[in-house]
Amino acid sequence: GQQVMQIPQYQHVQEGEDFTTYCNSSTTLSNIQWYKQRPGGHPVFLIQLVKSGEVKKQKRLTFQFGEAKKNSSLHITATQTTDVGTYFCAGIRATGSYQLTFGKGTKLSVIP
Amino acid sequence: EPEVTQTPSHQVTQMGQEVILRCVPISNHLYFYWYRQILGQKVEFLVSFYNNEISEKSEIFDDQFSVERPDGSNFTLKIRSTKLEDSAMYFCASTDGWAGPNYGYTFGSGTRLTVV
Repeated sequence: GQQVMQIPQYQHVQEGEDFTTYCNSSTTLSNIQWYKQRPGGHPVFLIQLVKSGEVKKQKRLTFQFGEAKKNSSLHITATQTTDVGTYFCAGIRATGSYQLTFGKGTKLSVIP
Repeated sequence: EPEVTQTPSHQVTQMGQEVILRCVPISNHLYFYWYRQILGQKVEFLVSFYNNEISEKSEIFDDQFSVERPDGSNFTLKIRSTKLEDSAMYFCASTDGWAGPNYGYTFGSGTRLTVV
């Protein structure tokens, strides 16, 4: 079945440092979505990428979708304590299933 | 902003008992989902539901699980005979009606199910 791998599993950064999490799918994706889950909370939709090589920005967050539509990354510039949480990528396969498959997430801790 | 509402927030049940988890999706959404998350682990797909029937289900969604949309607003997940390994946070989600599954999901706050 489809697998979505995400690294690193944990990341501790000093406030103001940058942070990147990487996502790789075993199959080509039709789109990839990113979610943030605060401790004790539920996943909250951040963004969806659809086109090969697409780059989208939301303030300090930059999202990229690979040319082959199998990998993606999320980069946060100058982290703040409000960025704390687990960031999940989730993909839908290009063919067949519409099932949204989540990666294991990267848990971000920001040290003030 | 519209929300997906889930009840109860916590449920403790004895092994072998039946539980029903309830969800009220966003009113104009047509695609509904159940996911679960075992503590500290990834979010796992259980089932998707569209047009009053199951669209897809995962290997986790065996004969012990069922879903229903009993009226125009509620969407329920039933576990007939709970097992210890069913203990998890269960999230309901829905997506925008016209965009369907290829669109950002709105998740509810979850029901934490503990089977003892």
